[in-house]
Amino acid sequence: GQNIDQPTEMTATEGAIVQINCTYQTSGFNGLFWYQQHAGEAPTFLSYNVLDGLEEKGRFSSFLSRSKGYSYLLLKELQMKDSASYLCAGLDSNYQLIWGAGTKLIIKP
Amino acid sequence: GAVVSQHPSWVICKSGTSVKIECRSLDFQATTMFWYRQFPKQSLMLMATSNEGSKATYEQGVEKDKFLINHASLTLSTLTVTSAHPEDSSFYICSASEGAPLYEQYFGPGTRLTVT
Repeated sequence: GQNIDQPTEMTATEGAIVQINCTYQTSGFNGLFWYQQHAGEAPTFLSYNVLDGLEEKGRFSSFLSRSKGYSYLLLKELQMKDSASYLCAGLDSNYQLIWGAGTKLIIKP
Repeated sequence: GAVVSQHPSWVICKSGTSVKIECRSLDFQATTMFWYRQFPKQSLMLMATSNEGSKATYEQGVEKDKFLINHASLTLSTLTVTSAHPEDSSFYICSASEGAPLYEQYFGPGTRLTVT
């Protein structure tokens, strides 16, 4: 079966760094997405990885290891507005997104 | 950037009535639109995929006679929840894709449906 695993909740301190991990099992693989979703709002795109390695975009970076079926989202210099759920989603061989349940990130001052 | 709108943003309806939700791609042509449902503290659940001018493809367990999807044009798709019941109360989100590459989906702001 297809599955995306990520922690349910994480807590971090304003100004710090946090890494949100995601492991995936999909039928075929055409990439992995990270989305940010604030409470009561639709997800917004953060990153897409299809090749191994680290992709950096400002304070956010995303890493992929295809051999390990593993990805992480790294958030630096955390701000209060980063409090949100972060969704990991894998794209299978049919180009269908398989969604994780999301990681709720709580930022404390 | 690609913008997707949804209307209404929230709606309250009585049990047994039908509700229509519109999803529009404002600055691009969406050959494919997706409808998701999200219950509190849960992830997105894909309900159906619709391509312009053809019947929607529903995910297993989603009743196509209850959740009517119409994708009549390249910029508009509608989801009608027929004979709504309280258990249909949820956050409904659409996304749209230009089709190339298919995986680039742009999400609408979502519609909060409450059935009383």
